Amino acid sequence: GAGVSQTPSNKVTEKGKYVELRCDPISGHTALYWYRQSLGQGPEFLIYFQGTGAADDSGLPNDRFFAVRPEGSVSTLKIQRTERGDSAVYLCASSLRPLGLAGGLGEQFFGPGTRLTVL
Amino acid sequence: AQKVTQAQTEISVVEKEDVTLDCVYETRDTTYYLFWYKQPPSGELVFLIRRNSFDEQNEISGRYSWNFQKSTSSFNFTITASQVVDSAVYFCALSEAGDMRFGAGTRLTVKP
Repeated sequence: GAGVSQTPSNKVTEKGKYVELRCDPISGHTALYWYRQSLGQGPEFLIYFQGTGAADDSGLPNDRFFAVRPEGSVSTLKIQRTERGDSAVYLCASSLRPLGLAGGLGEQFFGPGTRLTVL
Repeated sequence: AQKVTQAQTEISVVEKEDVTLDCVYETRDTTYYLFWYKQPPSGELVFLIRRNSFDEQNEISGRYSWNFQKSTSSFNFTITASQVVDSAVYFCALSEAGDMRFGAGTRLTVKP
């Protein structure tokens, strides 16, 4: 597709359940980012992939959160034992190359987000 | 640790007024990048501008202009002759290496 897509657009789950959120980056973009945005707040960095590897996962709040990008394209954010405090919009972004690499302009293209509600 | 502060939570102006959105950042690195993003009511973040720490030239793009001052660690954004379509939440962000740290955003409402 032309832009970053995320599925599902909305996810409602019960406390304690496991959820997976998917991100399809723009074709050819090597860098992929996950953010979480709570109401009235700016996006909060979670993790960033360069290719298949997590280059920086310092933003993951705890070990219930995990993300993978096995083939360097699609990424899945996984949340175990969800809690009400996990409710937020989860945003994915991709960029052609990350900042710091040759030609890496750093412009991130964002997807529409997945709104997660934990009851 | 890097930090971005947008002290203005909400701003309301009347169409055609000029408005400046403030952004102050903190970083220990000498190499970093600053960004502004717009988040309209539809929700998707839209990239507006990127600046690296070695380029303090101000930039103008149509009605938008940015004032980067390292001496005050500020990267302010001015909209000239605001329009109703400018109504959105605007985020300033800082990146040192790959990741991006956003401010809390400023909600701009432009009234007709």
